[in-house]
Amino acid sequence: AQSVSQHNHHVILSEAASLELGCNYSYGGTVNLFWYVQYPGQHLQLLLKYFSGDPLVKGIKGFEAEFIKSKFSFNLRKPSVQWSDTAEYFCAVNVNSRDDKIIFGKGTRLHILP
Amino acid sequence: EAGVAQSPRYKIIEKRQSVAFWCNPISGHATLYWYQQILGQGPKLLIQFQNNGVVDDSQLPKDRFSAERLKGVDSTLKIQPAKLEDSAVYLCASSGGGGAGETQYFGPGTRLLVL
Repeated sequence: AQSVSQHNHHVILSEAASLELGCNYSYGGTVNLFWYVQYPGQHLQLLLKYFSGDPLVKGIKGFEAEFIKSKFSFNLRKPSVQWSDTAEYFCAVNVNSRDDKIIFGKGTRLHILP
Repeated sequence: EAGVAQSPRYKIIEKRQSVAFWCNPISGHATLYWYQQILGQGPKLLIQFQNNGVVDDSQLPKDRFSAERLKGVDSTLKIQPAKLEDSAVYLCASSGGGGAGETQYFGPGTRLLVL
């Protein structure tokens, strides 16, 4: 069965530090990939997504992610984090070309120290 | 544009009681999803509707969970009878139904505690 693995369950960084959150998926076919974010007290919302084309995807708030097909990875990065980036981040994959059903990873809770 | 609405926001019940959750998707969105998110885990799909038809309910515990979307707009999810392990956040999401990779928009969720 398809699955999504997020390596870090809890990450603590200081402001201005660089961020990389790991995400790997298990599926050999064509995929669409997503990062969703949930800020404290808010809804899950889309941060960025990859369909095809340039494997480096830019999202909102300075986030980017790189799709590396050979590694089945879609890691999320930000060069300099802010306190307001404190949130839970979920990687997700869509493997069915006919619909938009997605499978989520377990999430990474990011805490930024001011 | 109004987002996905859910109610109630919180619910506390005793085991073996029944409970129902309501969701109103974004206007015009054909696809509606119900997810269960247990503490420390990612959302797990319970059921997916396309208009008023079920597309996927393979992970819905059908002995106790039921869902409907009769007019292809809002939806209800019911648990009867509830078990302790049903304690979770129940998320509703909707999308335009245009196919693979379309963005899903999530509601605020209903936090259920079963005692």
